[in-house]
Amino acid sequence: AIRMTQSPSSFSASTGDRVTITCRASQGISGHLAWYQQKPGKAPKFLIYAVSTLQSGVPSRFSGSGSGTDFTLTISYLQSEDFATYYCQQYYSYPWTFGQGTKVEIK
Amino acid sequence: EVQVVESGGGLVQPGGSLRLSCAASGFTFSNYRMTWVRQAPGKGLEWVANIMQDGSEKNYVDSVKGRFTISRDNAKNSLNLQMNSLRVEDTAVYYCTREKYGGQLDFWGQGTLVTVSS
Repeated sequence: AIRMTQSPSSFSASTGDRVTITCRASQGISGHLAWYQQKPGKAPKFLIYAVSTLQSGVPSRFSGSGSGTDFTLTISYLQSEDFATYYCQQYYSYPWTFGQGTKVEIK
Repeated sequence: EVQVVESGGGLVQPGGSLRLSCAASGFTFSNYRMTWVRQAPGKGLEWVANIMQDGSEKNYVDSVKGRFTISRDNAKNSLNLQMNSLRVEDTAVYYCTREKYGGQLDFWGQGTLVTVSS
């Protein structure tokens, strides 16, 4: 199975900050990468697919980039509603796998 | 409005069985692959299984192969997960999800909790 490793596991930030979360795959995934946001007690929300394409309705302050095995999720101007846990996911080969999650907390 | 609603969770003893269901609405169910994802308490997300639009192909994570069976009824817009030989480590919230395109999970239900404990 392809292993997805996110860093950091958690960090604190302030509203208005620019934040970046990194996701590394244990092998190439040909751009088959998605990002999800999850708030406590809620189902995950689909944010980005194919590395950098925003799902409909997702604010433009979210962006994704990367290639090969290294990918990033950037929130350009952190808003209060963005404090949550973020997961990357590869859908290149079965079993699809998720990163362990990155929790963004309020500083 | 796209909706997927899970049901069937509960408390079951190790070695027992449980059948989860997911009722879909607001989209043409037969046009989409469907997936189950689970999340153990306080842990991350784990993909469990998926099924093609016509049910012809099913895929499972190794830890549930031979114990779980995914199925669908396109006439009833429903997805199921039959879980047998349940283990303590199967304890999790189970989410029903729609696949926008192979692997992209664009709509999620609110989840149903399965607790395996004696």
